[in-house]
Amino acid sequence: AQTVTQSQPEMSVQEAETVTLSCTYDTSESDYYLFWYKQPPSRQMILVIRQEAYKQQNATENRFSVNFQKAAKSFSLKISDSQLGDAAMYFCAYTPGNQGGSEKLVFGKGTKLTVNP
Amino acid sequence: DAGVIQSPRHEVTEMGQEVTLRCKPISGHDYLFWYRQTMMRGLELLIYFNNNVPIDDSGMPEDRFSAKMPNASFSTLKIQPSEPRDSAVYFCASSLHRQGTQYFGPGTRLLVL
Repeated sequence: AQTVTQSQPEMSVQEAETVTLSCTYDTSESDYYLFWYKQPPSRQMILVIRQEAYKQQNATENRFSVNFQKAAKSFSLKISDSQLGDAAMYFCAYTPGNQGGSEKLVFGKGTKLTVNP
Repeated sequence: DAGVIQSPRHEVTEMGQEVTLRCKPISGHDYLFWYRQTMMRGLELLIYFNNNVPIDDSGMPEDRFSAKMPNASFSTLKIQPSEPRDSAVYFCASSLHRQGTQYFGPGTRLLVL
């Protein structure tokens, strides 16, 4: 079964600094998709970034970027120029890409990010 | 685009009562998902639909839980009878195509006393 592991239950960063959140996953699939979702105190689940496993180029969305290491099954999220509004729970998620696979997202346990002014 | 709409946002009920959660997916999306989030188990998929047809309900905890999608714009998740251990946040999400990005609703916070 596929699993997603976030080894950092909590992280903190100073405003305007850079922070990296870790995520590893376990799968026997070669084709899959990885996501980072943000959950602020409002509890809304907000997509931050998406990575297709077949793409070697790391995905980037403004201040958010990933370091995707397929061989190591690692998918870390880097937040640059951290802002107070970045404070939230961050979830790493996986879904298989093969036609016979389930559509479900498998989530990690989350990392709580605090941004200090 | 209004996004995924869920109602109610909060629900407090007593053990044994029937609870119905509602979801309206994003227009045009053909996949709909129900997730549950608890402190103990995190986020877990309960069931998902494709073109209104249930595809995988292996995450539904037990027979007390049922879900329907009578048309492309509406789905319900029903718990009957409810128990205190059902207290959680229930999310609905939708996506446009297979392995498309899933967009989540605001969630329904359920408390069963």
